[in-house]
Amino acid sequence: GQQLNQSPQSMFIQEGEDVSMNCTSSSIFNTWLWYKQDPGEGPVLLIALYKAGELTSNGRLTAQFGITRKDSFLNISASIPSDVGIYFCGAGGSRLTFGEGTQLTVNP
Amino acid sequence: ETGVTQTPRHLVMGMTNKKSLKCEQHLGHNAMYWYKQSAKKPLELMFVYNFKEQTENNSVPSRFSPECPNSSHLFLHLHTLQPEDSALYLCASSQEDTGLAGGPYNEQFFGPGTRLTVL
Repeated sequence: GQQLNQSPQSMFIQEGEDVSMNCTSSSIFNTWLWYKQDPGEGPVLLIALYKAGELTSNGRLTAQFGITRKDSFLNISASIPSDVGIYFCGAGGSRLTFGEGTQLTVNP
Repeated sequence: ETGVTQTPRHLVMGMTNKKSLKCEQHLGHNAMYWYKQSAKKPLELMFVYNFKEQTENNSVPSRFSPECPNSSHLFLHLHTLQPEDSALYLCASSQEDTGLAGGPYNEQFFGPGTRLTVL
């Protein structure tokens, strides 16, 4: 079946550093999504991408929909402690496939 | 209450117990979803309801039984579970499910989840 490969699985960074994570697939998707999940909470949508090549920002977050429609990346600039959490990608349409998540730890 | 709420937030049950998870959405949506989230694994879609009708059963074992009495409420009835069913169960809602038509993404709003432990 369809699968998303997300990397890295975890990241430990210092406050102020930039972060980059990505998802790849062997399948083509029409929508790429990035979510954040805080401990004890459900996922919250950060950025939705609907067009190949699209680059979208949400504050310090920037995400891109790969031109081949098989990948996407998420960048976080100037990280802060509240960026801690699990970030995961989703792709598809009304039926979504999800990545395994990237656990981000930010040291003050 | 706003958004998507789930109760209970934590549940511990034995393999012979019967319990139910409840989800309620206050967003005026017409589609509701159950997902299973296990550690280090991707979210797994279990069931989808659209306008109270089930539109997806993702090969879920019969020990999980969903119920959607109206567009605002979704239940997951649990019976004779196994320890490997321990996970975070997430409910979500969206404006409409277009899955059967292969339609576009409608943003799904997630609840906080129920952390289930099966002993």
